[in-house]
Amino acid sequence: QQKVQQSPESLSVPEGGMASFNCTSSDRNFQYFWWYRQHSGEGPKALMSIFSDGDKKEGRFTAHLNKASLHVSLHIRDSQPSDSALYFCAASDPHTGGADRLTFGKGTQLIIQP
Amino acid sequence: DPKIIQKPKYLVAVTGSEKILICEQYLGHNAMYWYRQSAKKPLEFMFSYSYQKLMDNQTASSRFQPQSSKKNHLDLQITALKPDDSATYFCASSQDGTGDEQYFGPGTRLTVL
Repeated sequence: QQKVQQSPESLSVPEGGMASFNCTSSDRNFQYFWWYRQHSGEGPKALMSIFSDGDKKEGRFTAHLNKASLHVSLHIRDSQPSDSALYFCAASDPHTGGADRLTFGKGTQLIIQP
Repeated sequence: DPKIIQKPKYLVAVTGSEKILICEQYLGHNAMYWYRQSAKKPLEFMFSYSYQKLMDNQTASSRFQPQSSKKNHLDLQITALKPDDSATYFCASSQDGTGDEQYFGPGTRLTVL
């Protein structure tokens, strides 16, 4: 079983709409969560991190973490065509020397419809 | 200017051969990593180096050997190549390797025939 599971597999959102991604971890040692985005032909790029329960907002992006349920989400408001990409959730365990050993989910493909 | 350089961008190899994937970062970071992205599989952590020392190895096979000749270099040598090694290999770096943001290179796409 994968330790980081993402849903949905793909998502189509009209331009200007809200895109929402979900991520669940099956490992309670994972305490650090990241959202990465990968455009076709490029390497992943970090969008934001979230380490504490609650919401974290950066511009059009809002992440939410619930450590009790090991659930993290990402919401993009006012979606733009340039947001079309593969979005990854990644987690790491800061307590056993693996803070920088990122475990990735399979990703959600986002398509923004003009 | 690209801050993390990976060479070559594309690589085709025959089964049983050996290849070296090059990675250089110009971000002034002290930690570097290798990840692998195969078709239909999540991005997988392979190695981490901090101050040119191996910190973490999650690769089961000894055919994969990282090589750090300079602080900002972390190459990946792969021996006895197999078709299953076909993947895109990403180099990444971070400031200190303590859970801070990792910056990824553009990747080397390896195809083993």
